[in-house]
Amino acid sequence: SQQGEEDPQALSIQEGENATMNCSYKTSINNLQWYRQNSGRGLVHLILIRSNEREKHSGRLRVTLDTSKKSSSLLITASRAADTASYFCATDGNRGSTLGRLYFGRGTQLTVWP
Amino acid sequence: SAVISQKPSRDICQRGTSLTIQCQVDSQVTMMFWYRQQPGQSLTLIATANQGSEATYESGFVIDKFPISRPNLTFSTLTVSNMSPEDSSIYLCSVEDLGAGGYTFGSGTRLTVV
Repeated sequence: SQQGEEDPQALSIQEGENATMNCSYKTSINNLQWYRQNSGRGLVHLILIRSNEREKHSGRLRVTLDTSKKSSSLLITASRAADTASYFCATDGNRGSTLGRLYFGRGTQLTVWP
Repeated sequence: SAVISQKPSRDICQRGTSLTIQCQVDSQVTMMFWYRQQPGQSLTLIATANQGSEATYESGFVIDKFPISRPNLTFSTLTVSNMSPEDSSIYLCSVEDLGAGGYTFGSGTRLTVV
């Protein structure tokens, strides 16, 4: 399967703490993306990192990519209660996969307590 | 970024009936994607819909069960036919966001079949 896998499956922290979520995948990729989903609603695109990039920042988000280990991490700094959501990594698969098809992991449920 | 209006947001349906889900995009897009998210699970691609041609279905999904229409470059529908409780899921449409990278998702349709 080309599906990504996140860990941990669930993460519970206090406001102000940092949250780190990890993602591993199995095939070569062009890019890896992180999405957020609130309460089973639509997904919101957070950040995309290309296979030739190692680190990317966006506001309180920091994403790293290690293509040799086929892994990525998402760090949310100074977390807030509003960050409570499910976070998914998604890869675009390798050549031969359906154009535009994303392979999603099962997600990390993040709970931030006020 | 593209904006997608997805309807209905939720529905409770009797087994054996059908439900049609609509997605309207505020810009013209070549490809639209339909995903299913079963309870507590990740997203799985059902099919890719191109305007003017039949949808391309992923393994495990068939046109008789999930017929798709794509009458123009801004609109698509997914029908869940002859529903059973196993079809209870969140269904999401998606389009590629060429400007920002990543994909934009509709707000999802939470379907419960009783």
